[in-house]
Amino acid sequence: KAGVTQTPRYLIKTRGQQVTLSCSPISGHRSVSWYQQTPGQGLQFLFEYFSETQRNKGNFPGRFSGRQFSNSRSEMNVSTLELGDSALYLCASSLNTGVGYGYTFGSGTRLTVV
Amino acid sequence: GENVEQHPSTLSVQEGDSAVIKCTYSDSASNYFPWYKQELGKRPQLIIDIRSNVGEKKDQRIAVTLNKTAKHFSLHITETQPEDSAVYFCAEGDSWGKLQFGAGTQVVVTP
Repeated sequence: KAGVTQTPRYLIKTRGQQVTLSCSPISGHRSVSWYQQTPGQGLQFLFEYFSETQRNKGNFPGRFSGRQFSNSRSEMNVSTLELGDSALYLCASSLNTGVGYGYTFGSGTRLTVV
Repeated sequence: GENVEQHPSTLSVQEGDSAVIKCTYSDSASNYFPWYKQELGKRPQLIIDIRSNVGEKKDQRIAVTLNKTAKHFSLHITETQPEDSAVYFCAEGDSWGKLQFGAGTQVVVTP
């Protein structure tokens, strides 16, 4: 059974640019959550999607957005990149949207903003 | 995570000793408490979880305890081994599916 797949693995962007990250969940998983991981802030919740609907949102500016497609694949977009957006972006998929059933994380996308 | 406090931030133990990590939370609606282990350069992996209707759960050398009244839960690792060295994250979740993570504990097991 394939795990959670995130692409690309590494990305270098310039300040002001925008970026799109992709996440393919485990087959059958309908919930996809996104987290930002930095050394100083730990794992910060960005948003969660279930059946193409955003169910939860964290405390991030509107530059961070996402969507989910009918096949449960999800994308997140960051516009007008800032140096502080450099981080590991992790997505996690789950069978159920409630009570965090068995989140499985992908390997992440390492974003560097220069 | 702003709603979950995790202590200590670093923990050094001798191989064979026990390690204990503690987390406190504030949201009374929280009903799911997983623990994740993240080795250097790898993804976080779920190692054990507990739901609010259970006070303790064990899986071989790891155990988690939950005190809902006091709003804290702990991870216990017994007979630590070098491969237990990693960053451990606690988290709390509610029925809406959002997980809030603690800041993590760097565990170092020295032979």
